[in-house]
Amino acid sequence: EAQVTQNPRYLITVTGKKLTVTCSQNMNHEYMSWYRQDPGLGLRQIYYSMNVEVTDKGDVPEGYKVSRKEKRNFPLILESPSPNQTSLYFCASSLKGGGVSYEQYFGPGTRLTVT
Amino acid sequence: KQEVTQIPAALSVPEGENLVLNCSFTDSAIYNLQWFRQDPGKGLTSLLLIQSSQREQTSGRLNASLDKSSGRSTLYIAASQPGDSATYLCAVRPTSGGGADGLTFGKGTHLIIQP
Repeated sequence: EAQVTQNPRYLITVTGKKLTVTCSQNMNHEYMSWYRQDPGLGLRQIYYSMNVEVTDKGDVPEGYKVSRKEKRNFPLILESPSPNQTSLYFCASSLKGGGVSYEQYFGPGTRLTVT
Repeated sequence: KQEVTQIPAALSVPEGENLVLNCSFTDSAIYNLQWFRQDPGKGLTSLLLIQSSQREQTSGRLNASLDKSSGRSTLYIAASQPGDSATYLCAVRPTSGGGADGLTFGKGTHLIIQP
């Protein structure tokens, strides 16, 4: 089954403790991205990747890092989480990026709470 | 900067009614518009994707229209069922701006279908 998977689905952590949220897709998609969803603000893009080893900032990148060493994986790294990063996080992918119009597929979400 | 607005923010209707959800966007320079469904605790499910050159798309009881020049889209749900209860999100993919291929989302319409 074609899908985007995220782990963990739920995470409660403390301020300053480094964490990684994994994202994997099995559709051989080139483009992957991360969004966060907050009440009243909607979904906002954090980082995106056009292909392996090609990443760039989205609208709200502060406090996050990403890497794209393999085509199927796009982990989101919080080096020193803070309470304002408490949010619902979504990973998304599409066949290609950059000037073409492909449907984007979303993962099930990761609910992160930072205390 | 692209902004997407969805009206109404919440809607509650009896089962069996036909209904229309509205989405408006401020910049007509888009590649496509996507309608998603979000269920509590779950990810985003893509319902319909309308390319910028298209006027409408249909899938089962759902019909989405796009008027790019006026910055409007509607999602029509025929013969609503309790299982249609969810939050419906509208997202556009701008042709310009930062976050290549990043979707700009509306805040959603929370729909409740009363049995």
